Amino acid sequence: SAVISQKPSRDICQRGTSLTIQCQVDSQVTMMFWYRQQPGQSLTLIATANQGSEATYESGFVIDKFPISRPNLTFSTLTVSNMSPEDSSIYLCSVGLRGETYEQYFGPGTRLTVT
Amino acid sequence: AQSVTQLGSHVSVSEGALVLLRCNYSSSVPPYLFWYVQYPNQGLQLLLKYTSAATLVKGINGFEAEFKKSETSFHLTKPSAHMSDAAEYFCAVSRPLSNFGNEKLTFGTGTRLTIIP
Repeated sequence: SAVISQKPSRDICQRGTSLTIQCQVDSQVTMMFWYRQQPGQSLTLIATANQGSEATYESGFVIDKFPISRPNLTFSTLTVSNMSPEDSSIYLCSVGLRGETYEQYFGPGTRLTVT
Repeated sequence: AQSVTQLGSHVSVSEGALVLLRCNYSSSVPPYLFWYVQYPNQGLQLLLKYTSAATLVKGINGFEAEFKKSETSFHLTKPSAHMSDAAEYFCAVSRPLSNFGNEKLTFGTGTRLTIIP
């Protein structure tokens, strides 16, 4: 398994500003993922972040709005840029571990409120 | 494309009663299937997974799920509900890759389980 931490755990931000969310893993992993969970909704994948390559974004998400960094095998950041109230969500990072089987482990999430 | 459908956004059961949460999947290839649980204000925790081995999968906290290809289902059950089972449950599907692991997870809309004392 993997232990994943996220910072901040929650934040309240004003519209038009940006917030960078950090994701730290206790072991080296190749694949990291960023998800958004809007209030009362399921999880939607924003992008896949592999170390050493550009992040791959899902339909409806663009790099200018959600830039991602992946400087090493244990760390990634997601920035929510030029925020609007519609960006109020929980943002979760997860890691994929390959072993006997394949599993994804999730961080505790960052609860973002945009006013 | 793959997808999962969770029937029932809210399920209420009495403490000690059977828990049954339904999940049906759509996949053009044999899938990997997962159940995750999310407690209030927490991230997701893996309950159990199906990755083409035994069709009856046992997970943590007394939960189990059975993969039924003919019904394209992967329902989650627990014989006796406990108050601590109250949470949101998500079914997810992914497609195995030949060279590495599997593709991204696609989640269902979730089922909120309430336990009645």
